[in-house]
Amino acid sequence: AQSVTQLGSHVSVSEGALVLLRCNYSSSVPPYLFWYVQYPNQGLQLLLKYTSAATLVKGINGFEAEFKKSETSFHLTKPSAHMSDAAEYFCAVRAFGNEKLTFGTGTRLTIIP
Amino acid sequence: GAGVSQTPSNKVTEKGKYVELRCDPISGHTALYWYRQSLGQGPEFLIYFQGTGAADDSGLPNDRFFAVRPEGSVSTLKIQRTERGDSAVYLCASSQAGVTYNEQFFGPGTRLTVL
Repeated sequence: AQSVTQLGSHVSVSEGALVLLRCNYSSSVPPYLFWYVQYPNQGLQLLLKYTSAATLVKGINGFEAEFKKSETSFHLTKPSAHMSDAAEYFCAVRAFGNEKLTFGTGTRLTIIP
Repeated sequence: GAGVSQTPSNKVTEKGKYVELRCDPISGHTALYWYRQSLGQGPEFLIYFQGTGAADDSGLPNDRFFAVRPEGSVSTLKIQRTERGDSAVYLCASSQAGVTYNEQFFGPGTRLTVL
């Protein structure tokens, strides 16, 4: 079975500051890991995914995440926050050979002008 | 091209009634998924179709929930004898089959409210 834990249901950062959203996973088999973003009244949009090719993954909108097996983590970062980054962010895990995504509870990111 | 569409966008019903939620996947996507997102939670898996057949329905909470995909394209999620606890946003996603890490493209969801 696999699961993800997102530490911090709400994160606030100032515009231009570093964004760090935390995700830790648990999986009995090598996982595939994803970050999705959800804007108000919109569907989930994929930001980036880890598929074992490279541990540092770059995504859309300047986001990136690093897979650290020793820490079972896949934290999402962005060097400089923009007002348009305000949204809810979900980390998800998918085990090899298993089609379903298992999501964390989400982190709501607020950007302070 | 067109993304995943879901109808209706909002559905209000009374306890005990029957509802149907529709999902139109991206053309050519053979895999289709249903998830449920309760307030303040992440989406939870309900069922996965590969073509016309349900390959994994382990997330359906009970036998009041049923989904079909008769022609391998459009899918309908059916809920019988609705309960207030069924209130949630129901999300549909589709993907190209064959590779586990293929991106799942999500629709905007149907917000179901059971009074």
